[in-house]
Amino acid sequence: RKEVEQDPGPFNVPEGATVAFNCTYSNSASQSFFWYRQDCRKEPKLLMSVYSSGNEDGRFTAQLNRASQYISLLIRDSKLSDSATYLCVVTSYGNKLVFGAGTILRVKS
Amino acid sequence: DAGVTQSPTHLIKTRGQQVTLRCSPKSGHDTVSWYQQALGQGPQFIFQYYEEEERQRGNFPDRFSGHQFPNYSSELNVNALLLGDSALYLCASSLVVAESYEQYFGPGTRLTVT
Repeated sequence: RKEVEQDPGPFNVPEGATVAFNCTYSNSASQSFFWYRQDCRKEPKLLMSVYSSGNEDGRFTAQLNRASQYISLLIRDSKLSDSATYLCVVTSYGNKLVFGAGTILRVKS
Repeated sequence: DAGVTQSPTHLIKTRGQQVTLRCSPKSGHDTVSWYQQALGQGPQFIFQYYEEEERQRGNFPDRFSGHQFPNYSSELNVNALLLGDSALYLCASSLVVAESYEQYFGPGTRLTVT
């Protein structure tokens, strides 16, 4: 079983749609959680950290459920520029990052 | 504010050769981590350096080695290259005392082994 699992997609959505990605992780000792965004052939860029209380940054909302070992990302009012691969990331044994394989989002006009 | 930089951008090597990749961390950061990203996969942790020592290591063979210099920059060395070593190699920097564990990535070095 992979340590971080994501639905690879692709999710094809129209502009303005709301889309949600889910992720599960297996290591209950994980302490920090993130969503990274990666454009084609570019480096991953930190989108947001994920806190137990949930957090929001503009059109993006992240939630963490430690009991179920589940992380989510909600994108409202999707833009063409949101098209990318979204990587779910957890820390393991210190600050080693463990990445999921990513979920592909395609926003179409 | 200088971000993470890596060199070279692209590299083509032949099986059996050796390669050295370089990374300069974001200004103010003291920790460097290296990741390998194969096509269609998420990045895989290779190792992490802090205070010029390897702190953690992922599931990679000894052919992969590294070094951190007093100015916090780092090198990744891969010996006896295999075709399967073809990937995007990413360097990420962070600040060890920061509790957030946020890491920031450089643009990567795309290595092709033929």
